[in-house]
Amino acid sequence: AAGVIQSPRHLIKEKRETATLKCYPIPRHDTVYWYQQGPGQDPQFLISFYEKMQSDKGSIPDRFSAQQFSDYHSELNMSSLELGDSALYFCASSPWTGTRKLFFGSGTQLSVL
Amino acid sequence: QQQVKQSPQSLIVQKGGISIINCAYENTAFDYFPWYQQFPGKGPALLIAIRPDVSEKKEGRFTISFNKSAKQFSLHIMDSQPGDSATYFCAASKETSGSRLTFGEGTQLTVNP
Repeated sequence: AAGVIQSPRHLIKEKRETATLKCYPIPRHDTVYWYQQGPGQDPQFLISFYEKMQSDKGSIPDRFSAQQFSDYHSELNMSSLELGDSALYFCASSPWTGTRKLFFGSGTQLSVL
Repeated sequence: QQQVKQSPQSLIVQKGGISIINCAYENTAFDYFPWYQQFPGKGPALLIAIRPDVSEKKEGRFTISFNKSAKQFSLHIMDSQPGDSATYFCAASKETSGSRLTFGEGTQLTVNP
């Protein structure tokens, strides 16, 4: 079965650089969620999209932005990177059918040096 | 403020034993309670979930027990196997937030052979 695909798997950036993370949801899933997971921590919700519109917002810094495109893939753009942004970033998708099931990708490991 | 509290932080059991992880929540609007399993470098994967209209749900070796009045729920892993060694997260969501999950802090389970 198709899963959520994230790219790249690993990303190394310098402080103050920008990064773009991509997420391709499971086919026919129209809702995308972004989570940030620090080392040894639980995933923290950043932002979500439904039908290309932002549906919810969590603890996402103003330096970050995201969008969902017409093919439902989503991109998380991160600017002015800080050391504290180093984390595992997960994308998850869900069908808007009330099942509440969230399917996660394998994540992008971002390291800011 | 952690909306979903999970314990223990780490757990070591012998092969064939029972692993028990507990969670508690405060927000009575939560109405969906999944458990996720995460292996290193991978995204969380849905194990089993329960809604508050039932007190127990069993799938194979995994059982969720739910106590609505106490606002607590727990995961029991019967006949624990070394392959079950992973980090387990309880989570909760509410209807008004779609599939957005609030996670517990996680439990690192180690099953010794």
